[in-house]
Amino acid sequence: QSALAQPPSASGSPGQSVTISCTGTSSDVGGYNYVSWFQQYPGKAPKLMIYEVNKRPSGVPDRFSGSKSGNTASLTVSGLQAEDEADYYCNSHAGSNIVLFGGGTKLTVL
Amino acid sequence: EVQLVEAGGGLVQPGGSLRLSCAASGLTFSDFWMSWVRQAPGKGLEWVASIKKDGSETQYVDSVKGRFTISRDNAKNSLCLQMNSLRAEDTAVYYCVRGRVAMGYWGQGTLVTVSS
Repeated sequence: QSALAQPPSASGSPGQSVTISCTGTSSDVGGYNYVSWFQQYPGKAPKLMIYEVNKRPSGVPDRFSGSKSGNTASLTVSGLQAEDEADYYCNSHAGSNIVLFGGGTKLTVL
Repeated sequence: EVQLVEAGGGLVQPGGSLRLSCAASGLTFSDFWMSWVRQAPGKGLEWVASIKKDGSETQYVDSVKGRFTISRDNAKNSLCLQMNSLRAEDTAVYYCVRGRVAMGYWGQGTLVTVSS
């Protein structure tokens, strides 16, 4: 199975909104509501930001939201802040009992 | 506070073996699937393996099937990854993770370097 497709980079100015996409197939993203998003700073472990497409763990700001349409999931960061600059990864349950990650998106706050 | 602490990483020659361990605390370990996720230097995240709450089911990425074995000891709150026939492409930071898709907690990672 191939990795989920994410744009390598995204950017926005402070206060703006930015959306990062995660595209798979009907066998993974499109077939299950088990998509998560992770934030990772350089040299640090990833942090769960969104799970089951649109649920936020306790402590994650509501500026972060998730959605899905067809085979594409999306992470939207509203009211961008400097601290949001990081790498973002999606993952999804896939058929045949495997888990797929996206290639990652580097978010730059201009 | 949930803590996942990995150990066992290091330098190993191609074809060699290494056993990673993860000590878990601050959670009811037996209530959760556990996984290993790796990240090659400068690269993205890759799911490696997962194990069911009671250890009755294991899942692996194709590239490690037959070479890696994930296991757990719920009595000791520990997770292990036995890695055999290691290849250069297995070089990565290996993370112990709570969960399978909704990976809610991550360890700090342990670096495995496969090189002669």
